[in-house]
Amino acid sequence: AAGVIQSPRHLIKEKRETATLKCYPIPRHDTVYWYQQGPGQDPQFLISFYEKMQSDKGSIPDRFSAQQFSDYHSELNMSSLELGDSALYFCASNLGDRGRNYGYTFGSGTRLTVV
Amino acid sequence: KQEVTQIPAALSVPEGENLVLNCSFTDSAIYNLQWFRQDPGKGLTSLLLIQSSQREQTSGRLNASLDKSSGRSTLYIAASQPGDSATYLCAVPPAGNEKLTFGTGTRLTIIP
Repeated sequence: AAGVIQSPRHLIKEKRETATLKCYPIPRHDTVYWYQQGPGQDPQFLISFYEKMQSDKGSIPDRFSAQQFSDYHSELNMSSLELGDSALYFCASNLGDRGRNYGYTFGSGTRLTVV
Repeated sequence: KQEVTQIPAALSVPEGENLVLNCSFTDSAIYNLQWFRQDPGKGLTSLLLIQSSQREQTSGRLNASLDKSSGRSTLYIAASQPGDSATYLCAVPPAGNEKLTFGTGTRLTIIP
């Protein structure tokens, strides 16, 4: 079965550079979520999209932005990178019937290292 | 604000033993509860999903229960194996708000 695809798997950037992470949800899933997981921490919600519109926003820095495209893939853009942005970035998707939730499927993540 | 706590934070047991991981949440208004497994530096693998109307779900050696009224869930692992070593996370989407709130995780080590 198709899973959530994230690219790249690993990314090394220097401080103040820009990074773009991509997420391809499971086909027919209409909702995408982005999470950040620092070393030894549980995943923290950043932002989500439902039907290409932003649906919720968590603790996402103003330096970060994201969008969902017409084919439902999503991109997380991170500018003016800081050392503290080094983390695993996960994308998840689900099919969100507003009255029922069928569970979330996560991608393998992108490990971002800022040096 | 929903808070999800997992106890214990770390657990080491000999191979072959049965074990229970605990998850508690403060707001019982949830759509469902999902248990995930995470290997070091890897992604999150969904293990079990329990809808709010269900009391338990089983998959192989895993059994998850849900008691919404008391805000608790348990993950039971039977006949543990070294390959079960990983961090186990529970997560809930609060009703009316679908982003997942994760628990603090239990790091499980199965000793051969």
